[in-house]
Amino acid sequence: DTGVSQDPRHKITKRGQNVTFRCDPISEHNRLYWYRQTLGQGPEFLTYFQNEAQLEKSRLLSDRFSAERPKGSFSTLEIQRTEQGDSAMYLCASSLEYYEQYFGPGTRLTVT
Amino acid sequence: GIQVEQSPPDLILQEGANSTLRCNFSDSVNNLQWFHQNPWGQLINLFYIPSGTKQNGRLSATTVATERYSLLYISSSQTTDSGVYFCAVTSGTYKYIFGTGTRLKVLA
Repeated sequence: DTGVSQDPRHKITKRGQNVTFRCDPISEHNRLYWYRQTLGQGPEFLTYFQNEAQLEKSRLLSDRFSAERPKGSFSTLEIQRTEQGDSAMYLCASSLEYYEQYFGPGTRLTVT
Repeated sequence: GIQVEQSPPDLILQEGANSTLRCNFSDSVNNLQWFHQNPWGQLINLFYIPSGTKQNGRLSATTVATERYSLLYISSSQTTDSGVYFCAVTSGTYKYIFGTGTRLKVLA
């Protein structure tokens, strides 16, 4: 068990560019979650997958955001036409069924 | 939706001191976790504790679900305990709602 991994750990991009983040969950976990954390706040839920099905998207996830989890394994989160307000830490978590969630190290996005 | 409040918001301790962090929630919960967020942003699982009491070394936690609160105890604090402590709950869903955190600084 190597834990949840995320790539890249840091991303600096210019406003208007597209970015994609990857999350690899713990191998036997069927549920995967994306959260966003801004400075001084707790993480906020963005979206959730059970296996390959995306079952919920927060209203925080505008149409510039899209997430996928092909074959129920790793997941990607893409942000199109980035804005300065997208600067945040993007956290991925996984769990086995409804229980304890385990978080990855996060991807820190800075939009200049 | 459910509200999660943590207190105190900030705490400064001398190394070796004990402390109690509190998490109040406004509705019944299915899951409750305590996390420590280190200076690099990693959320480290401390306890999964929807009810009852657990201990792990210098840390222990108690959740009284019927009274809608949870406590995290840190004994003999060390400088490495510094960081932000979050309580997070689920209530009828799978998504965790996080509190605003307690920022702990332990001085040598």
